[in-house]
Amino acid sequence: GAGVSQSPSNKVTEKGKDVELRCDPISGHTALYWYRQRLGQGLEFLIYFQGNSAPDKSGLPSDRFSAERTGESVSTLTIQRTQQEDSAVYLCASRPKAAGELFFGEGSRLTVL
Amino acid sequence: GENVEQHPSTLSVQEGDSAVIKCTYSDSASNYFPWYKQELGKRPQLIIDIRSNVGEKKDQRIAVTLNKTAKHFSLHITETQPEDSAVYFCAASIGGSNYKLTFGKGTLLTVNP
Repeated sequence: GAGVSQSPSNKVTEKGKDVELRCDPISGHTALYWYRQRLGQGLEFLIYFQGNSAPDKSGLPSDRFSAERTGESVSTLTIQRTQQEDSAVYLCASRPKAAGELFFGEGSRLTVL
Repeated sequence: GENVEQHPSTLSVQEGDSAVIKCTYSDSASNYFPWYKQELGKRPQLIIDIRSNVGEKKDQRIAVTLNKTAKHFSLHITETQPEDSAVYFCAASIGGSNYKLTFGKGTLLTVNP
């Protein structure tokens, strides 16, 4: 596709359930980022993948959060035992190796009841 | 890690007036400073960026200035139009081929017709 694709676009789940969010970056983009955006708030860094380097997981808020990426393609963000405070839009972005601009997806809106 | 502060959190101007948004950063090694615009319900998109080897950059009605000594940078929008209404985010990172982008909390700009 032409842009970063995220799925699902909307997810409603019950407290305590696990959720998995998917990101398809732009083909050829070596860097991939996950950010969290709570309602009316800024972009909170979660995790960063760059090629085959070890990911920067310094933004993950707890051990309930994890993310994987297969090579330079799809990434999944998993949230285990969801809590109400996990409700937010989860944004994925990708970037070509030598350029600065991040290309964002439309986001996955997560609502935990 | 890097910390980016952004002010004001909200800004309301009359159409045709100028708008200025200011950001400060903490890590003197940061050398890449982009600005993103997020319209309501849309994904963030890059509008302008500056690297630390220049002090100012312009693109039509938008300009960004950087003061490395004071560790602050600003976005200037002249002749504002209603379509400029959006949330604007500044960000900072240590550049190169492997970097993490840290965002400010955003400024909601409203341009009144």
